[in-house]
Amino acid sequence: NAGVTQTPKFQVLKTGQSMTLQCAQDMNHNSMYWYRQDPGMGLRLIYYSASEGTTDKGEVPNGYNVSRLNKREFSLRLESAAPSQTSVYFCASSVGSPNTEAFFGQGTRLTVV
Amino acid sequence: GENVEQHPSTLSVQEGDSAVIKCTYSDSASNYFPWYKQELGKRPQLIIDIRSNVGEKKDQRIAVTLNKTAKHFSLHITETQPEDSAVYFCAASRNAGNQFYFGTGTSLTVIP
Repeated sequence: NAGVTQTPKFQVLKTGQSMTLQCAQDMNHNSMYWYRQDPGMGLRLIYYSASEGTTDKGEVPNGYNVSRLNKREFSLRLESAAPSQTSVYFCASSVGSPNTEAFFGQGTRLTVV
Repeated sequence: GENVEQHPSTLSVQEGDSAVIKCTYSDSASNYFPWYKQELGKRPQLIIDIRSNVGEKKDQRIAVTLNKTAKHFSLHITETQPEDSAVYFCAASRNAGNQFYFGTGTSLTVIP
């Protein structure tokens, strides 16, 4: 059982480049999330999708876009990367309502130079 | 939106002692409060959770308490062991929207 799978695990971008982080879950979960983790800042919600076909902004959405491609997949796109987007990105999923445990992917370490 | 505050940011205890981490939340509609443990370089993983209709929950050496009136919940680890060393995150969530809001984390070090 793979759980939540993110790709890639590591990425270096130049300022202004674009990229898409991929996330897939095989647990038939309704809700999916993208977080970024920075030292001393905890996990901050970028975007979430409560169910297939819906997406909503979280705490720090600026500079990002998302696509809930289907129930399994939720991608995060950086259109024009900036050094401030250097971070570790985690995708997560949960059953949905009522709330239960969120399962996390292994993370993507992104460096923007 | 929800605001979750977590204290302390760092905590060092001797092996065998207890550790307590405290969190407060702002949204009275939050009704689910998980705690996650993140080891260095790994993903966060759930260690215990509590719902708003329960005041306390225990799982072996780990317990969580919730005070809905004060909007306060705490993680208690007893008889700490070196393998408990990690970063711990509290979170708050509510059914509408299902989003999870996390505290800023506590780095726990258990000294052998």
